[in-house]
Amino acid sequence: QVQLQQWGAGLLKPSETLSLTCGVYAGSFHNYDWSWLRQTPGKGLEWIGEINHSGSTYYNPSLKSRITLSTDTSKNQFSLKLRSVTAADTAVYFCARGILSPDTAFDSWGQGTLVTVSS
Amino acid sequence: EIVLTQSPATLSVSPGERVTLSCRASQSVSDYLAWYQQKRGQAPRLLIYHASNRATGIPARFSGSVSGTDFTLAISSLEPEDFAVYYCQQRTNWSSITFGQGTRLEIK
Repeated sequence: QVQLQQWGAGLLKPSETLSLTCGVYAGSFHNYDWSWLRQTPGKGLEWIGEINHSGSTYYNPSLKSRITLSTDTSKNQFSLKLRSVTAADTAVYFCARGILSPDTAFDSWGQGTLVTVSS
Repeated sequence: EIVLTQSPATLSVSPGERVTLSCRASQSVSDYLAWYQQKRGQAPRLLIYHASNRATGIPARFSGSVSGTDFTLAISSLEPEDFAVYYCQQRTNWSSITFGQGTRLEIK
């Protein structure tokens, strides 16, 4: 059964870059799509972006200008960089595996990382 | 952007009861809707995809249905472990994945 384990810095200052990585274990990496999502009490669950099995990327339009998604297929990992963070980016961030096409459902999730942006 | 509106926000029920949770889409999403369960401090768990298909390992007491843009998640007989927050989610274009705001199922 696939497992996703994520890591990255949990405390950032405004204007810094958020960087998170998600490792995929005990499952295929190449045949699936990989997403980042975040959750706050105020806005709920928000999809950030996806890098799919073909290497194409899709981003939430509201975050697109600040996001970079990448993969390291040799390590079965994918990563998120979110530039110029503000307090509004404080959230629990999740990585997740997407299944189905042309739609998506997320059948495996990382454990979540609380990222706090504070001066 | 397609908006998913879930109702009610909170539902107080007793174990053993049958419940239905609603998710209404602001426009057609075909049957491209999924349901998740989330417990405190955990990641969401996929329950239903394509409106009515149970995900792997999900008990048969969970079922989904659709009528137009109205989606329903039913739990036939609530178990103690079912008290959680439930979310619906859709994707109908490459750059738009949205979630409802959630329904909290609490013990009466």
